[in-house]
Amino acid sequence: DVKVTQSSRYLVKRTGEKVFLECVQDMDHENMFWYRQDPGLGLRLIYFSYDVKMKEKGDIPEGYSVSREKKERFSLILESASTNQTSMYLCASSLNQRGNTIYFGEGSWLTVV
Amino acid sequence: GDSVTQMEGPVTLSEEAFLTINCTYTATGYPSLFWYVQYPGEGLQLLLKATKADDKGSNKGFEATYRKETTSFHLEKGSVQVSDSAVYFCALSHSGNTPLVFGKGTRLSVIA
Repeated sequence: DVKVTQSSRYLVKRTGEKVFLECVQDMDHENMFWYRQDPGLGLRLIYFSYDVKMKEKGDIPEGYSVSREKKERFSLILESASTNQTSMYLCASSLNQRGNTIYFGEGSWLTVV
Repeated sequence: GDSVTQMEGPVTLSEEAFLTINCTYTATGYPSLFWYVQYPGEGLQLLLKATKADDKGSNKGFEATYRKETTSFHLEKGSVQVSDSAVYFCALSHSGNTPLVFGKGTRLSVIA
């Protein structure tokens, strides 16, 4: 089974802190994604990457950056956390094939106080 | 750009009732279509998918048919169970390295 592992399920951070959310997949997938999920807004794409060291902005990249130094790992960075970044963050990965299934991690609940 | 519209929830049904969750899309060409499910406290998992027109995806008693003429991919189940209570997301993608575009999700509650 494909496994996408997010390092932290629950985090509480202070406003202004730098926050790292880590994601690792074990199936040699080319593509990796970061989404945030908010009530009433569904899933919104923050960043994605289709290869090592490559990244593309999604719909809401402001206030976030990403790092993909190795194929299996995709990190989301909040440079200076703000309360409006309190949310559920979902990492996902997939093969680079049409019709491919995207596999999700269990999510990281981030609260910024 | 591409978009997915699915019916607003929440949807509340009694056990063994028939379920339909409507999903329509706007996209150029021939996208692949998906239904994902999110159980409480978990990430999303694939429920079913269809990659070309008139294909039917099915899994766990759920079905959806890719209708190009109506740009729809409605989710159906003949008899829901309490364990089907979850949030259901319709989504599309075009090619291997483009992200999924999601609908906003429909919360289903099934009561015994």
